[in-house]
Amino acid sequence: EAGVAQSPRYKIIEKRQSVAFWCNPISGHATLYWYQQILGQGPKLLIQFQNNGVVDDSQLPKDRFSAERLKGVDSTLKIQPAKLEDSAVYLCASSTDRQSYEQYFGPGTRLTVT
Amino acid sequence: DQQVKQNSPSLSVQEGRISILNCDYTNSMFDYFLWYKKYPAEGPTFLISISSIKDKNEDGRFTVFLNKSAKHLSLHIVPSQPGDSAVYFCAATASANNDMRFGAGTRLTVKP
Repeated sequence: EAGVAQSPRYKIIEKRQSVAFWCNPISGHATLYWYQQILGQGPKLLIQFQNNGVVDDSQLPKDRFSAERLKGVDSTLKIQPAKLEDSAVYLCASSTDRQSYEQYFGPGTRLTVT
Repeated sequence: DQQVKQNSPSLSVQEGRISILNCDYTNSMFDYFLWYKKYPAEGPTFLISISSIKDKNEDGRFTVFLNKSAKHLSLHIVPSQPGDSAVYFCAATASANNDMRFGAGTRLTVKP
């Protein structure tokens, strides 16, 4: 079974630029999550999708962050414009459904904003 | 708001001995708890979990203990092996919303 795929693995941008991350969850997983992990901290949930609908985006800074999962499979997370404090690892995870607490994580995208 | 806390940033143990990683939480709504293990440049991987209706769950060398009255859980690894060296994250969620909260992690080093 293929795991959660993410790309790119690393990205360096200047502040005020825009960036997008891509995630392909495990086949058949209905629920998809995006997390932000700042150095020295645990992952923080940004947004949760159930199929192609948003379940929870209460911690997503909506003035600059957006995410979509148009066909209920792949997802993209965008930051526009980026700030220095957005430097972090962005993790995508998936689970079979919302009632399954076991989440499978991708390797993450390490973003550096200079 | 840090609802899940891992107060020890690091832990070092000798191979063959017991590793005990601790986690505290503040939200009484949490009813499911998990431990994830993370190697460098990889995403966290699920290790073991426990429901609030239990106070212990065991899987091979790994045992998680839950003390609801103290809002405390711990992960025991016996015997510890060098391959267990990783960052361990404690996580908690409430079944009502499945909003997973993570601690900051504890870096375990098992010395040969």
